[in-house]
Amino acid sequence: RKEVEQDPGPFNVPEGATVAFNCTYSNSASQSFFWYRQDCRKEPKLLMSVYSSGNEDGRFTAQLNRASQYISLLIRDSKLSDSATYLCVVTPFSGGYNKLIFGAGTRLAVHP
Amino acid sequence: NAGVTQTPKFRILKIGQSMTLQCTQDMNHNYMYWYRQDPGMGLKLIYYSVGAGITDKGEVPNGYNVSRSTTEDFPLRLELAAPSQTSVYFCASTSLNEQFFGPGTRLTVL
Repeated sequence: RKEVEQDPGPFNVPEGATVAFNCTYSNSASQSFFWYRQDCRKEPKLLMSVYSSGNEDGRFTAQLNRASQYISLLIRDSKLSDSATYLCVVTPFSGGYNKLIFGAGTRLAVHP
Repeated sequence: NAGVTQTPKFRILKIGQSMTLQCTQDMNHNYMYWYRQDPGMGLKLIYYSVGAGITDKGEVPNGYNVSRSTTEDFPLRLELAAPSQTSVYFCASTSLNEQFFGPGTRLTVL
């Protein structure tokens, strides 16, 4: 079983739609959780951290369910510029070096 | 700040050739990483370093070597290139829990 699993998509949605991505992780001792965004042929960039209480950044909402080992990302009012691959990232340990485990990503295509 | 820079951007190698991928960061980060990303796949950790003089293997280290003589530089060496090493290579450095990535090196081995 992969350490971090994501639905690869693609999710094809019209502008203005709401779309949700899910991610599951296998290590129950995982400590930190993130969503990264990767544009085509570019490097990944941090989109947002995911906190236990859930957190929001503008049109983006992230949720964490530790009991189910599940992370989600909700994008409201999708824009064309949201088209990218969204990577679910998990840090398995606290302290030590900052090892990040990346999911393979979910591709989002927003069309007019 | 330039952040994390990588050279070259693109390279084509013949089987058996060797090369060094360069990575430099100007953020004074102790932690640095090398990843490879194959098409449609997640990033896989090749090697990492927690500071100058200290390196360790990641998930897929075979066929690669690294060194870390300074805080800023973390080169990745391919000694005998193989077609299986065709990939995009990303270098990264860490501040707290955010990893900053370089723009990547696209390597093709023919």
